[in-house]
Amino acid sequence: GQNIDQPTEMTATEGAIVQINCTYQTSGFNGLFWYQQHAGEAPTFLSYNVLDGLEEKGRFSSFLSRSKGYSYLLLKELQMKDSASYLCAVMDSNYQLIWGAGTKLIIKP
Amino acid sequence: DADVTQTPRNRITKTGKRIMLECSQTKGHDRMYWYRQDPGLGLRLIYYSFDVKDINKGEISDGYSVSRQAQAKFSLSLESAIPNQTALYFCATSDQKSGDGNQPQHFGDGTRLSIL
Repeated sequence: GQNIDQPTEMTATEGAIVQINCTYQTSGFNGLFWYQQHAGEAPTFLSYNVLDGLEEKGRFSSFLSRSKGYSYLLLKELQMKDSASYLCAVMDSNYQLIWGAGTKLIIKP
Repeated sequence: DADVTQTPRNRITKTGKRIMLECSQTKGHDRMYWYRQDPGLGLRLIYYSFDVKDINKGEISDGYSVSRQAQAKFSLSLESAIPNQTALYFCATSDQKSGDGNQPQHFGDGTRLSIL
């Protein structure tokens, strides 16, 4: 079966750095997406990785290792508004997105 | 105005009723999707469409049907609603026409559906 694993919840301090991990087992791989979802709102696109390595976009970076079936999202200089759920999704061989359950990130002052 | 609009935003109804959720987009995207989201679970794909009148089943299509009569509109129907269809429903779109890699999906604000 296809499976995406990410921690259920993480807590971090305002101004700090946090890394959210995602491991996956899917039938084929056509890229990995990270989305942010505030409570009760729509998911919004953060990043896309299809090749191994690090993609940096402002305070957010995303890393991919295809051989390990592993990705992480790195958030720097945390702000209170970063409190949200972060969803990892993998595009499989049929170009369908398989979604993880999301990691709820709590930021404390 | 939102690029992907879902109506209604909230709906409470009774078991056995027929319900239609509407989705419209102004992004000009060719692909549209319907998902449901339940607490503690990832988004699960119900149906998707790559073009007008193209319909494909997703992971959990039983009990649902869809219609794509125009590129901008994709509606989801529950023919006879049951309580375990209570969930948050999202419509999403993506643009694959350009052929430029795998494009992200863009989501509407969701419809919170409760079946009593």
